[in-house]
Formats: sequence, structure tokens, C-alpha cells
Amino acid sequence: GAGVSQSPSNKVTEKGKDVELRCDPISGHTALYWYRQSLGQGLEFLIYFQGNSAPDKSGLPSDRFSAERTGGSVSTLTIQRTQQEDSAVYLCASSPTGASSYEQYFGPGTRLTVT
Amino acid sequence: QQQVKQSPQSLIVQKGGISIINCAYENTAFDYFPWYQQFPGKGPALLIAIRPDVSEKKEGRFTISFNKSAKQFSLHIMDSQPGDSATYFCAASPGVNTGNQFYFGTGTSLTVIP
Repeated sequence: GAGVSQSPSNKVTEKGKDVELRCDPISGHTALYWYRQSLGQGLEFLIYFQGNSAPDKSGLPSDRFSAERTGGSVSTLTIQRTQQEDSAVYLCASSPTGASSYEQYFGPGTRLTVT
Repeated sequence: QQQVKQSPQSLIVQKGGISIINCAYENTAFDYFPWYQQFPGKGPALLIAIRPDVSEKKEGRFTISFNKSAKQFSLHIMDSQPGDSATYFCAASPGVNTGNQFYFGTGTSLTVIP
């Protein structure tokens, strides 16, 4: 079946502009994660959605970052007033429920470049 | 603070050799330790994972060794192949009952020379 998809694959924006990144998780997966991957760095946790529970926003680096998940499926990560340090690859992952809920399936990422 | 420390940052191995990547953690609440493989332009893909109730898990040419007392775990790639050239990440999670958040190492770039 289809995996996790993300759009756009690449985004170039000017400093100060707002951007929206989209994630379509695997159908039926209740958990959804957003990560940021900077060059030469590991994956930095941003936010986690699980079913209808309140999201875990503890990883969001500033109030310029926000995310929502509509209908328990598609998620949008919004970065307002982008800064050059926001340039990175933004990865989305989803997980199923039950005993396999540890397994994360990643999308290909959105490469964001802020000029 | 880096919850999971990974080394080396890069590794070059001859074809047929053994690649070894190490990770260390501090939080004893972690109970799931996966390894991910990432090729350029792709998202990470789960390679192999272990729970702390076993000391070793093997899947094909990939083995995780886990040392609970030392709070360390490592990935061994036997008979390394050029197709194994990728970036490898270790991770740790305290589990679904505590938010299921994952903490990743900084990655190891593996190059297997033909």
C-alpha cells in the first residue's frame, strides 16, 4: 500500500515568509510525528499526535512553529516568519496502533531552504 | 542535551568487512532501541530493533548487541556490501505509555568500498 507522503518535496522561501508543509500518513495509522533534520545532525523531535489526544508539542523550538492534524489523518506543519536557521529537512512519520505502535514509517521529507 | 550519543560520525569499510556503530544512552526508562537506515533523499527506514530483555538480535547480516548494565547498544553489519552505504541512526524510546517519543543519535555515514 501507499507509504507516508509529504509535500512539497522542496520549498524555497524568503526570510520572514510563512510556509506550510503537508504530511499524509499511512491510512489507519493513529500516531503521527514531525521531526527536523539539519545537515549532519540527527532527527530533532518537533511534535507528536496520537489519535484524539492532545498533541505533545514539547519539541517545537519556538512559537513560530505550529502543527495541526485534521480528522486524525493529514497533518500540516506551519512555520511563521521563517528564519534562515529554519532551513532543514522536515520529516513526517506515522505509526500503527497496538503491538506495532513502536514502528515508525517515515515519509521522504520536505527540504526547506530559507534565503 | 543529547539523550542518545552515537559514534563514529563516519565509517569506511571494505566490502566483506564488518561495520560497527555504537550508541549510548542515560535514561533507564528507555525500553525500545531501533536502528534506522537512510539513503540520500529518502526518509529513514526501520532496519532492526531490540527490547532490553534480550542481549542480541540478529536479522540476516544485521545484528544488534545490547548491554543493559553499560547502557550501550551497537549495530553490526556483517559482510558489508556497497549497497549498505547509507546513514545509520540509532534511537531510543520510553514506550507508548509515556508518549512514545523517540530520541535519535546524530547518525553515522557508512561507506563500503568495493
